[in-house]
Amino acid sequence: DAGVTQSPTHLIKTRGQHVTLRCSPISGHKSVSWYQQVLGQGPQFIFQYYEKEERGRGNFPDRFSARQFPNYSSELNVNALLLGDSALYLCASSLAVGGDYGYTFGSGTRLTVV
Amino acid sequence: KNEVEQSPQNLTAQEGEFITINCSYSVGISALHWLQQHPGGGIVSLFMLSSGKKKHGRLIATINIQEKHSSLHITASHPRDSAVYICAAPNYGGSQGNLIFGKGTKLSVKP
Repeated sequence: DAGVTQSPTHLIKTRGQHVTLRCSPISGHKSVSWYQQVLGQGPQFIFQYYEKEERGRGNFPDRFSARQFPNYSSELNVNALLLGDSALYLCASSLAVGGDYGYTFGSGTRLTVV
Repeated sequence: KNEVEQSPQNLTAQEGEFITINCSYSVGISALHWLQQHPGGGIVSLFMLSSGKKKHGRLIATINIQEKHSSLHITASHPRDSAVYICAAPNYGGSQGNLIFGKGTKLSVKP
C-alpha cells in the first residue's frame, strides 16, 4: 500500500511567485489536511478537506487556498509568496474528519522562498 | 480548546538508556497520537491509543485517560532514535484542525 505521497519534495521560488503543492492520500482515505511547519516549530493547521469540501481552515491569509479532487487528492496553492512562507508543508490523510481517526503524514514539501 | 503539554523539551541520553517522554492534555479525549519526526523529514505516526498500553518494537506508549496523561517510552535507546517526538490530541473545536500538537521533545541519543 502506498503511503501519503507529496510532490514536489523540494521547491525554490522567488518572492511574489505562485506555488502549487500536491498530495495523494492513502487509498480509502477521504480526508486530507494541510500543515505548515516552520523550522524549529510545530505544525500549524492550514486546511482540511473531506469529500471535496473544506471542513476547516486555520489562521492563514487568503493567499493560501486548496481544493480536493474526486479521487481525494488535494492541491495547496499559495499566491504572492513571501519570505515567511518558507517552510515544510505537510499533508496528512485520514479516513474521515476528527481527531479520533488515525492520521498518516506525507514526507512533506520543503518550500524555500528567496 | 485542548492544551497539550510535553516534557521534557530536550533530552540527551546515552545509547542503551531507557527514555520517557511525557504528555498531558487539558480536555478529555478518546485517543492520543504519538508522532516522530527526524531532522528535515516528514512526520511518522507511531501510535494512536485510547487506553492502556501499546507496544511496537522498543517503543511503548501508555495513556491514563482519567489523569489526562500519556507517556512514550523507548527501551534500549539507539542513536537512530534521535528525532523529535510529538504528541497530538484531538481538537474538538476552533480553527486549529483536528489535532492539537505539543511542542515536541527533541531527543538526542549519543553512542
